[in-house]
Formats: sequence, structure tokens, C-alpha cells
Amino acid sequence: DTGVSQNPRHKITKRGQNVTFRCDPISEHNRLYWYRQTLGQGPEFLTYFQNEAQLEKSRLLSDRFSAERPKGSFSTLEIQRTEQGDSAMYLCASSFGTGLPEAFFGQGTRLTVV
Amino acid sequence: AQSVTQLDSQVPVFEEAPVELRCNYSSSVSVYLFWYVQYPNQGLQLLLKYLSGSTLVKSINGFEAEFNKSQTSFHLRKPSVHISDTAEYFCAVSGSNTGKLIFGQGTTLQVKP
Repeated sequence: DTGVSQNPRHKITKRGQNVTFRCDPISEHNRLYWYRQTLGQGPEFLTYFQNEAQLEKSRLLSDRFSAERPKGSFSTLEIQRTEQGDSAMYLCASSFGTGLPEAFFGQGTRLTVV
Repeated sequence: AQSVTQLDSQVPVFEEAPVELRCNYSSSVSVYLFWYVQYPNQGLQLLLKYLSGSTLVKSINGFEAEFNKSQTSFHLRKPSVHISDTAEYFCAVSGSNTGKLIFGQGTTLQVKP
């Protein structure tokens, strides 16, 4: 297993377009997290899945954002009607969960909205 | 609610000198504590963690951190830094059953030759 994989690594889109990012977690991990990181800041929690169930969403996750994790494997994060303020690095992480809480991160997807 | 404060935004240091990156947290429940390192345009790599047991934890590349419950701190130290240690370092706390991480603002470690 090569770790958490995110695609694409970079995305440039025009304001108003929809974008979708994919995350493939470490295969044995049942928890999956999405974070957003803007320049010069620490990552901020967006949402988390336990298997296929989305159990928590941050207030940062507006109605334009939606995340899914069908079958409890890979996850997608979609942003509709992108705005310039959505420009950020989107990070995915996965973990075993209770008892082994450390999370392992992917390389991230850098979104630039022009 | 939990929060993390990294007291220094930038720490410049000469190669082979010792360094300390400071981290304080607040939480009303027991916590797990982590240090992550981030190189430019990369994701975060787990550097070390405190889950329970010994309050002094060490990484394979010479970093160590000490959990101090009374001072709510988890400072990161290295006795002798290398140029390759230049990166952004994030302290994080997790105290909920969800494993959600709360990060500090980050400290940029700049190692000069």
C-alpha cells in the first residue's frame, strides 16, 4: 500500500464551475477525513466518514460542498459554483479509528479559482 | 472546545544548533497530541505522537516532544538541526471519539547554513 492518494494534484477552474476531487485512503482504514488549508494557515476540518457514513460536517462546509464515500472505500469532495474564496489546498486523511487514532495524509489537491 | 496555539510563526536557526518549537493546547477532555511536518506543496507527514504512557516521545530523525499536562504543552525539540529539517511544523490535538484533528497555525523552521 502506497498510502493515501489524492487526485488531481492541481486544479485550476473558472469561478462558477463545479469541481470534484478524489481520495483513496489506506485500504485497511475505516475513517476518512477532509481538511482545507489556506496559505499560511493550519489545516481546518471539513468532514469525516466512518466507513460509508458521513458522521460530522464542519460549519465551513457550505451547501455548495458535498462529500461522499460510497461503499466505504474512496471518497469524493465536490464543490459547486466555485468562488475565489474556495482557492486552497484540500487534504484527505485516513485512520484505523478508535485505538489507533493517528491519521495519515495524502499529498493534497491544490485548487485555484480564477 | 479544543484549540492549539503555536507560539512562534517563524523560527530561524543555524545548522547544528538546537531548536524548540512551542505548542500549547486547551481542552476539557483527555487528548492525543501530534506533530506533523509539511514540505512545500506536499501533504502532512506524521512526525510523532503522544497517545498515553511515557510523556517523552521521540521520532526516528532525532526530534522529541514532551507532553506536560499541568502546562498544557507539547513542545518539539531537536538538539542539532540539519538543512533538510527546513519545513512547516504543525501541532495538532485530537480529543474526540471522531479522531478529528485541531491544528495550530504552524511554525516555519528555517535552518541556515
